[in-house]
Amino acid sequence: RKEVEQDPGPFNVPEGATVAFNCTYSNSASQSFFWYRQDCRKEPKLLMSVYSSGNEDGRFTAQLNRASQYISLLIRDSKLSDSATYLCVVNADSGGGADGLTFGKGTHLIIQP
Amino acid sequence: ETGVTQTPRHLVMGMTNKKSLKCEQHLGHNAMYWYKQSAKKPLELMFVYSLEERVENNSVPSRFSPECPNSSHLFLHLHTLQPEDSALYLCASSQDFLPYYEQYFGPGTRLTVT
Repeated sequence: RKEVEQDPGPFNVPEGATVAFNCTYSNSASQSFFWYRQDCRKEPKLLMSVYSSGNEDGRFTAQLNRASQYISLLIRDSKLSDSATYLCVVNADSGGGADGLTFGKGTHLIIQP
Repeated sequence: ETGVTQTPRHLVMGMTNKKSLKCEQHLGHNAMYWYKQSAKKPLELMFVYSLEERVENNSVPSRFSPECPNSSHLFLHLHTLQPEDSALYLCASSQDFLPYYEQYFGPGTRLTVT
C-alpha cells in the first residue's frame, strides 16, 4: 500500500462550485499533515496545515480523520485561480524528523468558466 | 518573491558531464532539502541538511553528491547521470528540521540528461 495516496484527477469543476478531495495515508502514527498547492511549472507552496480539530482559511477547509486515516480539502465558491495541483503531505515517519515527510502525487483541479 | 533561489533554472547535460546545482535561502532557516520531481511521480526527498549536518539518506545513487558549506547554501553535484535522472530538482528550506514547519521551495532546476 502506498504511504500517501491521492486521486490524480483531473477534477473539472465549474466556477463557483464546491469541490472536495481526500488523501489517504498508511502510517497510523503520522502526526503532521499539510496541503500544498503547485501551479503548472512552478514550485509547491503551503496552502494550509491540517490540525486534529480541522481548520478553515477563507474558502478552504481541511479536515483530519484519524480513524479512517485520511485528510480532506474542501474548496467553496471555487475561482479560476484555484486551478492547480494540490499535494497532500504527511509525516509518515514516527522518528520525528522532517525527512519523514511524504508527498502524494497530487490532485489536479481545473476550474472552468 | 521567494526566499529560496536556485540556479541554473534549466540545464541540459550529457551523461559524461559534471555539473552542479546551486540553492540559496535568504530566510535564516536551519534545514535545507533537495527533492526530485519526475513526471507522474510524487516528490522524492533526496537529501536533508540540518544545521549544516547531513541527515543520512541511503537511497540516492552516488552520482548525486550534496554539499552544504553553510546554513544558507546547498549544492547538488552531478556526474555520470543517466537519462532517467531527467527531472525537476527542487530545493527547499524550513525553519528547523521538524515536520510541522512549512517548507519553502525554490523555483527548481529543470534537468535534461541526454
